[in-house]
Amino acid sequence: DIQMTQSPSSLSASVGDRVTITCRASQSISTYLNWYQQKPGKAPKLLIYAASSLQSGVPSRFSGSGSGTDFTLTISSLQPEDFATYYCQETNSTPWAFGQGTKVEIK
Amino acid sequence: EVQLVESGGGLIQPGGSLRLSCAASGFIVSSNCMSWVRQAPGEGLEWVSVIYSGGTTYYADSVKGRFTISRDHSKNTLYLQMNSLRAEDTAVYYCARGVSASYYGMDVWGQGTTVTVSS
Repeated sequence: DIQMTQSPSSLSASVGDRVTITCRASQSISTYLNWYQQKPGKAPKLLIYAASSLQSGVPSRFSGSGSGTDFTLTISSLQPEDFATYYCQETNSTPWAFGQGTKVEIK
Repeated sequence: EVQLVESGGGLIQPGGSLRLSCAASGFIVSSNCMSWVRQAPGEGLEWVSVIYSGGTTYYADSVKGRFTISRDHSKNTLYLQMNSLRAEDTAVYYCARGVSASYYGMDVWGQGTTVTVSS
């Protein structure tokens, strides 16, 4: 089974900061990598699919990159509504796996 | 409007059974890849099961042999039959649609239904 490891587990940042979250797969997953945002008490929201494709309706300050085993989610200029927990997920092979999450907090 | 609405959660004793439902509107369940994802209290997301449009199903090791995913085309509804429930199955359960053209990124989610396994 594939394991997904995110780093950091949490970070503190200010509005306007550039934020980068990394996700590493235990084996190559090509670009079968998705990113989600989750706010407390809410269902996750798809941000990025296929490693770098922006989901419809998601602000362009979110971007994704990577292939194989190493991936990044970047928020170019953090906004107040972006404080949340972010998860990566691989869909290369079942059982699909999520990363453990990265909580983005206000500095 | 494209929407998923889960139901069926509740308090159940260890060893018991429960069936979760996920009613869809705005799209056809049987024409899509559908998954269940759960989240234990204070924990991260855990993928549980998937059923592809062709009917093939897969499960997480933690639920294999105890949970069954299915769908009813006439009711446009996804199900998760959960048997032999354990305390560690306590979680909010979400159903979600995965889009094959989007590498199965899950673009539509339900609001979640809470399952509590406790005596």
